[in-house]
Amino acid sequence: QKEVEQNSGPLSVPEGAIASLNCTYSDRGSQSFFWYRQYSGKSPELIMSIYSNGDKEDGRFTAQLNKASQYVSLLIRDSQPSDSATYLCAVKTSYDKVIFGPGTSLSVIP
Amino acid sequence: EADIYQTPRYLVIGTGKKITLECSQTMGHDKMYWYQQDPGMELHLIHYSYGVNSTEKGDLSSESTVSRIRTEHFPLTLESARPSHTSQYLCASFSGTETEETQYFGPGTRLLVL
Repeated sequence: QKEVEQNSGPLSVPEGAIASLNCTYSDRGSQSFFWYRQYSGKSPELIMSIYSNGDKEDGRFTAQLNKASQYVSLLIRDSQPSDSATYLCAVKTSYDKVIFGPGTSLSVIP
Repeated sequence: EADIYQTPRYLVIGTGKKITLECSQTMGHDKMYWYQQDPGMELHLIHYSYGVNSTEKGDLSSESTVSRIRTEHFPLTLESARPSHTSQYLCASFSGTETEETQYFGPGTRLLVL
């Protein structure tokens, strides 16, 4: 079992719709969870981090964490073509390793 | 804007050569990481460091080594480059408290081994 898994995609949504990205992790001792966006040929950039169960909102982005289910999600409201990218879920494990999932490719169709 | 630098940005080298990829940050972060990423593929953790004189191997089996003699500097060395080492190498540093953390990435080094 991989340490961090994501829905494989690619995911296509129309402009203005909600995009939903999912991630599961295996290390129950993990305490820190991150969502990154990576454009082709560029380095990952942090969108948001989450540490407690529940929702965390930042503009059009909402991260959701459920530690009991070992599940993290990212919702993107009012999706824009500029949101088209690969979204990476990352988990800081109990040994301070930061492990990335394989990523989900998102395409927002105008 | 994060101050994390990688050199060289691009490197083409022959098989068997020894190479060192440089990574430096001016933010005083203790934790630093090296990842390998093939085009369109996932990031694999190859080495990380908690601080000076502390290094750990990641999950990807690699013939590389790292050192952490100074907080700001975390070089990655390949003793004998092979075509299978062709990839992009990303360095990152990590800062924050228990409830607010950020990982900054450098621009990456694209390595081609002929």
